[in-house]
Amino acid sequence: DADVTQTPRNRITKTGKRIMLECSQTKGHDRMYWYRQDPGLGLRLIYYSFDVKDINKGEISDGYSVSRQAQAKFSLSLESAIPNQTALYFCATSDLAGGGGTQYFGPGTRLTVL
Amino acid sequence: ELKVEQNPLFLSMQEGKNYTIYCNYSTTSDRLYWYRQDPGKSLESLFVLLSNGAVKQEGRLMASLDTKARLSTLHITAAVHDLSATYFCAVMTGTASKLTFGTGTRLQVTL
Repeated sequence: DADVTQTPRNRITKTGKRIMLECSQTKGHDRMYWYRQDPGLGLRLIYYSFDVKDINKGEISDGYSVSRQAQAKFSLSLESAIPNQTALYFCATSDLAGGGGTQYFGPGTRLTVL
Repeated sequence: ELKVEQNPLFLSMQEGKNYTIYCNYSTTSDRLYWYRQDPGKSLESLFVLLSNGAVKQEGRLMASLDTKARLSTLHITAAVHDLSATYFCAVMTGTASKLTFGTGTRLQVTL
């Protein structure tokens, strides 16, 4: 079974709709991250969390919100989706104490906003 | 603001040839990561470089880090088709374990 899972894997929605992307992990890591990937721009950090009570904005947090429901779950919401939020979204986890801080990525969610 | 630049952005090479991908970054860091991404897939961790002069090798790939020059290289030896993918470097800064990614190098190995 995958250590980091994301649901849904694909989603098509309309402008103005509220969307939630979910991430779960079984790696036991404290740190979780949300990124978006756009062609030619690499990955950009949206939000990150060190534990349930610690949520931080990344470089492109406008238009997004997150919720850390438990150590293993980190959700990303688009309150009112717009077309330029069409992208591939990745969740990642890390444990600074082991693996040299390597981040492990989920399979991604492809979101299309019409 | 940390900037991470990779070059080339696209690389087409023949099987059996050698080549190097470069990753330059703009501020001090001693942690650098290399990832591989196949089309439509997630990112797979390749190497973690944690100190100046670090060198890691796995199969036909070898990564190195020069923190003084703020440069990492990913060297490909005797390329094979299975190495075709996009390769990203990422630099960690600060205590927040935040990664800043380069824009990626798309490698195409032709027969």
